[in-house]
Amino acid sequence: GDSVTQMEGPVTLSEEAFLTINCTYTATGYPSLFWYVQYPGEGLQLLLKATKADDKGSNKGFEATYRKETTSFHLEKGSVQVSDSAVYFCALSKNYGQNFVFGPGTRLSVLP
Amino acid sequence: GAVVSQHPSWVICKSGTSVKIECRSLDFQATTMFWYRQFPKQSLMLMATSNEGSKATYEQGVEKDKFLINHASLTLSTLTVTSAHPEDSSFYICSAVRGSGANVLTFGAGSRLTVL
Repeated sequence: GDSVTQMEGPVTLSEEAFLTINCTYTATGYPSLFWYVQYPGEGLQLLLKATKADDKGSNKGFEATYRKETTSFHLEKGSVQVSDSAVYFCALSKNYGQNFVFGPGTRLSVLP
Repeated sequence: GAVVSQHPSWVICKSGTSVKIECRSLDFQATTMFWYRQFPKQSLMLMATSNEGSKATYEQGVEKDKFLINHASLTLSTLTVTSAHPEDSSFYICSAVRGSGANVLTFGAGSRLTVL
């Protein structure tokens, strides 16, 4: 079946450091890819998405490019802030939202 | 933007009682809603898919008689944890698909259930 794999955390960075969280997927067909963020005690919020190969999703300084050849959707940010501390989930979806598959999540801690 | 409201956000109950959690789409109609359970420091586990006007579809291993789901309208789905026990303590999150052809989930803020 379809699956999403993320780099294991926790990831601890200093403020203004460069962030990469790796995400790879296995799926039949052409899924859409997402990054969701969960702040402590809250639900998930959509961070960015890409619906087809070579699309780049971006939001709040975060970027991810849909790479079909490597089945990847790595999340990057050039300069992280303390407020970016959260858990990040990579996910894929097919069939217009009827089948979402989430990765295990990667916890990011940014230190001042 | 699309907003999903979940209530209550936090509930404590005694063992053996039932607890109802509501999930409402505030500014859009949601034909499909999903219920997830999240254990500490873990990912979301899909419990069931709730379709308006029909019975929910439960994932394997989820007790349908324990976790009752009702999706009576296009804006409301409820999850009732019946005869709750301490092992049911968890963070429950709902999400909704906005209309048809939309490929984005909107999540509620979650409900933390503690069973004493």
